[in-house]
Amino acid sequence: DVKVTQSSRYLVKRTGEKVFLECVQDMDHENMFWYRQDPGLGLRLIYFSYDVKMKEKGDIPEGYSVSREKKERFSLILESASTNQTSMYLCASSFYRDRGQNFGAGTRLSVL
Amino acid sequence: RKEVEQDPGPFNVPEGATVAFNCTYSNSASQSFFWYRQDCRKEPKLLMSVYSSGNEDGRFTAQLNRASQYISLLIRDSKLSDSATYLCVVNRRSNTGKLIFGQGTTLQVKP
Repeated sequence: DVKVTQSSRYLVKRTGEKVFLECVQDMDHENMFWYRQDPGLGLRLIYFSYDVKMKEKGDIPEGYSVSREKKERFSLILESASTNQTSMYLCASSFYRDRGQNFGAGTRLSVL
Repeated sequence: RKEVEQDPGPFNVPEGATVAFNCTYSNSASQSFFWYRQDCRKEPKLLMSVYSSGNEDGRFTAQLNRASQYISLLIRDSKLSDSATYLCVVNRRSNTGKLIFGQGTTLQVKP
């Protein structure tokens, strides 16, 4: 089974802090994704990557950046956290772009 | 109009019932379709892909109607453990991996 591991289940940060959310997958998948999930809005794609050092903006990239230095690791960075970034963040990976994605357990981030 | 629309429910059904969910999508260029299951406060998990010819996995049957742009999921002989939110998912364009998630349909199976 593919394992997608997110470094933290819960995080509490203060407004203005720089926040790093880490995601690691163990199945040599090329494709990795970051989503946020909010009540009433569903899952929305923030950024994705098809290869090392490659990144593309999703639907809501504002206020976020990403880093993919190694194939297995995809990091989401909140440069200056704001309260409207309080959310559940989900990382996913896939082998083929057109196949289903495997999700990590999620990080519930609260920005105070 | 949302790109993927689902009836949020909740659908409350007794054990053993058959229940069907529908989902419509707006982008005719979509090529890949999925149903995911999400339990409360957990991550989404792939339930099944949906193929043009329709496909079945045990008690679960998925159908795709490209002409009408809708996808369905049928659950037969519902179990208590089927209680969850079911997410309809389509890709925005072929070979992009950019998935669009519906907001989900909540199913509650009662004893």
